[in-house]
Amino acid sequence: TQLLEQSPQFLSIQEGENLTVYCNSSSVFSSLQWYRQEPGEGPVLLVTVVTGGEVKKLKRLTFQFGDARKDSSLHITAAQPGDTGLYLCAGFDRGSTLGRLYFGRGTQLTVWP
Amino acid sequence: DADVTQTPRNRITKTGKRIMLECSQTKGHDRMYWYRQDPGLGLRLIYYSFDVKDINKGEISDGYSVSRQAQAKFSLSLESAIPNQTALYFCATSDPSRGGTEAFFGQGTRLTVV
Repeated sequence: TQLLEQSPQFLSIQEGENLTVYCNSSSVFSSLQWYRQEPGEGPVLLVTVVTGGEVKKLKRLTFQFGDARKDSSLHITAAQPGDTGLYLCAGFDRGSTLGRLYFGRGTQLTVWP
Repeated sequence: DADVTQTPRNRITKTGKRIMLECSQTKGHDRMYWYRQDPGLGLRLIYYSFDVKDINKGEISDGYSVSRQAQAKFSLSLESAIPNQTALYFCATSDPSRGGTEAFFGQGTRLTVV
């Protein structure tokens, strides 16, 4: 059973387009993180959102945490080829015995010039 | 130099062979993790360790074992490799004690079992 569902699984767009990636769960998380992974590398943290309804911006990337802390979205404005990569969301469950991260399956984004 | 270093980066091995993947970190974090990544399946937790004396199974520990030799070193072993263990393996660290929940990943080991 996948705790975090990401959609879409694949996204292929032209440079300059906008896009939104979704991360949904039936579970409540203490915080939610977004990572980007490039080929041949490990995932690297982009942002952590903690408060329900929180919105964070990182240049052309906008991250939102749902009011109930069960879902999140990543919006990219005017996508560029350098945005190409695998985007992973991860929920942190502080209440579990592990205090661990649960990862979604990822969204593979390709931005064509 | 990378804060989390995995060796080897690539490995091809035969079915039935024993293989060890190594991970070392210079971040001073107590928590270390081994994940497996397969296309379309995301990152799945194999084993994790909260400190040198603590080892815990993750979601997919069957066929794997680990050793935490020191705070900085955490190795993953496949006792008898099989083809469906072909995957990309990542080591990661974290330090929740300081309030951070970020996971820091190594560059990965691509393992192929033939």
